[in-house]
Amino acid sequence: DAGVIQSPRHEVTEMGQEVTLRCKPISGHDYLFWYRQTMMRGLELLIYFNNNVPIDDSGMPEDRFSAKMPNASFSTLKIQPSEPRDSAVYFCASSLGRLAGGETQYFGPGTRLLVL
Amino acid sequence: SQQGEEDPQALSIQEGENATMNCSYKTSINNLQWYRQNSGRGLVHLILIRSNEREKHSGRLRVTLDTSKKSSSLLITASRAADTASYFCATARGNSKLTFGKGITLSVRP
Repeated sequence: DAGVIQSPRHEVTEMGQEVTLRCKPISGHDYLFWYRQTMMRGLELLIYFNNNVPIDDSGMPEDRFSAKMPNASFSTLKIQPSEPRDSAVYFCASSLGRLAGGETQYFGPGTRLLVL
Repeated sequence: SQQGEEDPQALSIQEGENATMNCSYKTSINNLQWYRQNSGRGLVHLILIRSNEREKHSGRLRVTLDTSKKSSSLLITASRAADTASYFCATARGNSKLTFGKGITLSVRP
């Protein structure tokens, strides 16, 4: 398998623009996670899905952020409008089953977002 | 809030030495996992230890878990320059998500 695929790998945009990040999880994985990583705040879980259904979005910063998973092989994280403080590396990860049950996460390479 | 707290925040050792990294957490867990992140890359799973286990080995990695002290340690033996990376502990509780610490930066000098 190719692993978790994310696109784009780098994104530079101006404040106020819409940003869409994309993720293709590993085939057969039931869980998909979106994280944000910054030096100041470390790795933060934004939202996760189970079987395409959002389970916990308590980490989503505010209404400017939204995530969808229309099918088992695709998810998007959208920021509208973007702000400079959204600059970070955004990771997508997937797992075969429940992490509490002993499954592990597989991370994508990340999207490095810079909002000017 | 962060469930896992790693210690030290940064560690610099000579190639061939052992590296010990510690992690403490606050609440009961189902398992604890260690991940590595090379610069500019995503995290990679290293090893998982369940709450009913005390020690596990995988190659040059040894992880211990002390649930009474709510702490874990990761030992990398005979370190190599290629081990230079950030290391994160993450705890899994009753749900399906991991809570990560802020990580330890390990530098292995050739």
